[in-house]
Amino acid sequence: GAVVSQHPSWVICKSGTSVKIECRSLDFQATTMFWYRQFPKQSLMLMATSNEGSKATYEQGVEKDKFLINHASLTLSTLTVTSAHPEDSSFYICRVSGANTEAFFGQGTRLTVV
Amino acid sequence: GENVEQHPSTLSVQEGDSAVIKCTYSDSASNYFPWYKQELGKRPQLIIDIRSNVGEKKDQRIAVTLNKTAKHFSLHITETQPEDSAVYFCAASKTGTASKLTFGTGTRLQVTL
Repeated sequence: GAVVSQHPSWVICKSGTSVKIECRSLDFQATTMFWYRQFPKQSLMLMATSNEGSKATYEQGVEKDKFLINHASLTLSTLTVTSAHPEDSSFYICRVSGANTEAFFGQGTRLTVV
Repeated sequence: GENVEQHPSTLSVQEGDSAVIKCTYSDSASNYFPWYKQELGKRPQLIIDIRSNVGEKKDQRIAVTLNKTAKHFSLHITETQPEDSAVYFCAASKTGTASKLTFGTGTRLQVTL
C-alpha cells in the first residue's frame, strides 16, 4: 500500500525555538495533506488542510503565523512550529491523500518543548 | 461544522466477550464513517469503514453498523483478545476517504484475561 513518511518521530526543543516537521508521500502524489494535533489522552484535532501549490486552510483557533505549513511539491509538506512553548508540546501527525487514493497517516511526531 | 460524539470513553471487557462502541454525528451530509485503532504513540490504523449507502459491514471479528436516520454508527468487536486493547476512534466525513475527517473523542478499550 501507499507509504507516508513523517520525520522526525520525536523532537525536544527549547522554548522560543522553531521546529520543522516533514511529511512525505513515497509512492503517490499527495494532492492534499491534513495536519492534526493530538494532546495526551485526547482526540485528533485538525489544524489545517493544504493542497499542493496553494496556501493552507486553517481551522478556527489555529494560528497560521505560529504553525506554518508549506506544501510546495506533490510529495512533501512541512509544518513548522514557530517560537514553540511548552503548551505546544503534543503529537503532530499528517494525513495524506492523492487524487485517486485513500488517505494515509504519517507515523506522527512527538514534540516536547522544554 | 460536523460534531462527532463517542461513547463510552473507557471500556473494559474480559477476553472472549464482545465490545461495542457507539458514535453519533451531527451533519446529515456526512457519508463516510471510518473506525481507527491507535496504540500508544503510534499512528491511527484504519480497521473498518462504512459508507452511507450501506447499513452494515463485517470483517472477521469486527463489524460496523450505520443508522442514517438516527445519525449514529457503532463498532462491534466479537471474541475480544488482549491485542485488541487500544484506543479506538470513530470519524465522519462528507466526501469520502480522502477528505477532511472529524474524529470522535476516543474509547480506551481494555481486554482483560
